Amino acid sequence: KNQVEQSPQSLIILEGKNCTLQCNYTVSPFSNLRWYKQDTGRGPVSLTIMTFSENTKSNGRYTATLDADTKQSSLHITASQLSDSASYICVVTLMTTDSWGKFQFGAGTQVVVTP
Amino acid sequence: EPEVTQTPSHQVTQMGQEVILRCVPISNHLYFYWYRQILGQKVEFLVSFYNNEISEKSEIFDDQFSVERPDGSNFTLKIRSTKLEDSAMYFCASRNRVLDTEAFFGQGTRLTVV
Repeated sequence: KNQVEQSPQSLIILEGKNCTLQCNYTVSPFSNLRWYKQDTGRGPVSLTIMTFSENTKSNGRYTATLDADTKQSSLHITASQLSDSASYICVVTLMTTDSWGKFQFGAGTQVVVTP
Repeated sequence: EPEVTQTPSHQVTQMGQEVILRCVPISNHLYFYWYRQILGQKVEFLVSFYNNEISEKSEIFDDQFSVERPDGSNFTLKIRSTKLEDSAMYFCASRNRVLDTEAFFGQGTRLTVV
């Protein structure tokens, strides 16, 4: 079964500190892995997209990594800001014959940045 | 920056009533999706739409649900007879032909069934 598991479920960090979020997936084959940021009550906003052949992708203070062999991805947030408080969602784009282009969502990691 | 627009932002309806959620995808996109997110839970796939027909639907997308692209710009989700458990955020998304490009989500419609 196609699964995307994220950890931790939630975390609290002090403003200015770094943190790393994890994503493990069992989806295969897949086209790409995406990280989205979702503010409460809003739609997901794309942070990074990595194809299966890419190892890392950065977007400002966000850096995503992908290890297609171990089926793991991480999202690293550097020098966190209060505005980083949100849910961070790992999404895998399926490439199976039954599900071409469909997104499989993880449950998200709720990040709270405190002053 | 291009954006997907959804209306209304919030809809309250009585159980058993029909609702139509509207979306205007990005103009040159070809693939359209509806997802929903029940409060506190993860985003779930409902349906994908390409070339004026449903390409895939989930178990959630039963006979009470339908989608349409009536005029080449709007993309609608209709729920014929709403149930309490249909209360959720509904997100529309669109992308172009290439699988590895940006997929844009709308800001969502919060549907509350009372």
